[in-house]
Amino acid sequence: GENVEQHPSTLSVQEGDSAVIKCTYSDSASNYFPWYKQELGKRPQLIIDIRSNVGEKKDQRIAVTLNKTAKHFSLHITETQPEDSAVYFCAAGTGGRRALTFGSGTRLQVQP
Amino acid sequence: SQTIHQWPATLVQPVGSPLSLECTVEGTSNPNLYWYRQAAGRGLQLLFYSVGIGQISSEVPQNLSASRPQDRQFILSSKKLLLSDSGFYLCAWRQTSNTEAFFGQGTRLTVV
Repeated sequence: GENVEQHPSTLSVQEGDSAVIKCTYSDSASNYFPWYKQELGKRPQLIIDIRSNVGEKKDQRIAVTLNKTAKHFSLHITETQPEDSAVYFCAAGTGGRRALTFGSGTRLQVQP
Repeated sequence: SQTIHQWPATLVQPVGSPLSLECTVEGTSNPNLYWYRQAAGRGLQLLFYSVGIGQISSEVPQNLSASRPQDRQFILSSKKLLLSDSGFYLCAWRQTSNTEAFFGQGTRLTVV
């Protein structure tokens, strides 16, 4: 089955700096890569996703890049703000019936 | 629009007692349904998934079970809880097409 590894496990940045979280996946059949943000005690919520036919996607301060050959994808947050502090999860999956496989999460702390 | 309901939000149960967590989805038909568990400060572990009524796949052997008595209802159960069953349980749904997973609000279970 799919295996997703995520790094780093914790990340502390100063407000205004950029943050980068990286994930690798093992199953070359995976073609859908969402990123979720989970605030303390809350449910994970989708912030951005990318499909395998696209190399990069951007939404305001958030961008995701995908390298299918190397089987890795990354989340980039620019101009970080204190409200970006949360746990971020990457995931990989395919269509059909299987579940998404999640990375272990990155706790991002943005220092004001 | 689609919504997912999960209850209860919090639960404190003694060791050896039974468990029943319920999840329902509205506004869609034949969803894929999932139960995840999140230990404190950890990632999302897939416990069960279901692609249809009465169809349950178990990802991790343990003393939990799942049932899907109706198309949009997914239940997580245990006959006798263990201390190690404590955690944050999340129900999620997804369409068969390659889309994001939507999470319920979660149930924080503490076994004492």
